[in-house]
Amino acid sequence: GAVVSQHPSWVICKSGTSVKIECRSLDFQATTMFWYRQFPKQSLMLMATSNEGSKATYEQGVEKDKFLINHASLTLSTLTVTSAHPEDSSFYICSAPIGTDTQYFGPGTRLTVL
Amino acid sequence: GENVEQHPSTLSVQEGDSAVIKCTYSDSASNYFPWYKQELGKRPQLIIDIRSNVGEKKDQRIAVTLNKTAKHFSLHITETQPEDSAVYFCAASMKYSGAGSYQLTFGKGTKLSVIP
Repeated sequence: GAVVSQHPSWVICKSGTSVKIECRSLDFQATTMFWYRQFPKQSLMLMATSNEGSKATYEQGVEKDKFLINHASLTLSTLTVTSAHPEDSSFYICSAPIGTDTQYFGPGTRLTVL
Repeated sequence: GENVEQHPSTLSVQEGDSAVIKCTYSDSASNYFPWYKQELGKRPQLIIDIRSNVGEKKDQRIAVTLNKTAKHFSLHITETQPEDSAVYFCAASMKYSGAGSYQLTFGKGTKLSVIP
């Protein structure tokens, strides 16, 4: 099956700092990648769609200036949480599709903001 | 937009029994319905999916059924084992996005516990 990696797997940072999370498709190319946020014991909530060569599309209620997305190549998308605060602490997961629908997920990044 | 309802939120079964999880969706244009299994702290793993031109799909102990008229689909796990214990999410494809990939809307999840 398709492999999607994420780095780092966990990060602890101080309030006010920025954190970058990388999502890579290891054995296939992805012109689109998706970023989700998952709170404990809750479902996956789509934050934004990352598009290679163009701007990301953000879901309603997601601040694009706070969650910066860059789809640098056909195998790499990054999510930067700027000026992080404790309420940004969560599990962030990316996914990349094969074809038009089947999505494969990265292992996730647990962000803790102190 | 699409809305996916999933029931039950928790399910406990004895080892060897069957488990059924049901989902309904609202957008009749949805045409792809995957199921994911997520163990604590890990990534969601695709376990089975079905497309709208098929009514049923089976893979060993796992099967999915789809009723497009009623807009509901179900996951069936037979001969459950302790390692089936996890949270299961259903999803429905929602809309065209970006370079041709469909976004998924997820149900709230079902925590399945298989009791040895």
